[in-house]
Amino acid sequence: QQKVQQSPESLTVSEGAMASLNCTFSDRSSDNFRWYRQHSGKGLEVLVSIFSDGEKEEGSFTAHLNRASLHVFLHIREPQPSDSALYLCAVSMGPGNTGKLIFGLGTTLQVQP
Amino acid sequence: EAAVTQSPRNKVAVTGGKVTLSCNQTNNHNNMYWYRQDTGHGLRLIHYSYGAGSTEKGDIPDGYKASRPSQENFSLILELATPSQTSVYFCASGDGLGGPYEQYFGPGTRLTVL
Repeated sequence: QQKVQQSPESLTVSEGAMASLNCTFSDRSSDNFRWYRQHSGKGLEVLVSIFSDGEKEEGSFTAHLNRASLHVFLHIREPQPSDSALYLCAVSMGPGNTGKLIFGLGTTLQVQP
Repeated sequence: EAAVTQSPRNKVAVTGGKVTLSCNQTNNHNNMYWYRQDTGHGLRLIHYSYGAGSTEKGDIPDGYKASRPSQENFSLILELATPSQTSVYFCASGDGLGGPYEQYFGPGTRLTVL
């Protein structure tokens, strides 16, 4: 069974400073990785999806995938207080394997003005 | 962008009662999913469906049934609700046809079982 772990559990950064979040997974055959953001009491907002090793940028969010080391990172450039939220990493094996997502427990990001 | 809606948004039920959570998606996705989110457990898959008439068990199906009467609608049914089913439930839809697989989530339903 795929295991997905996220670190740190919580992170506080100052407005404008880079924030880096880490996600590790257990199955190297995984081929779908995505980061979601969830503001308190709200639904999940997809930030960036990545399907091959390397980097993928979506606005101020950059995902970096290294399947050999079983890591996918999220870097947030110049975060604002409105970026304070729970960030969730999700991993799947694509539509051929039901497409179901396995989630980490998340990193709570606090951006201080 | 895919539109996934859920109803009700909030529900209070009594132990032993029947609860039905509904999900509707308007993007003609084949696959639909029900997750629950709990502190310390994250999001976990309850049931999913490949299309109208199909339902499959996810990772934590006990105590839940699912129904997919049409492409657009996917329901989660708690025949005998228990306090342990108090949670936030999310529906999602997705499809990999024609490109990388994406999955879109609804706003969630907060269920409290007393």
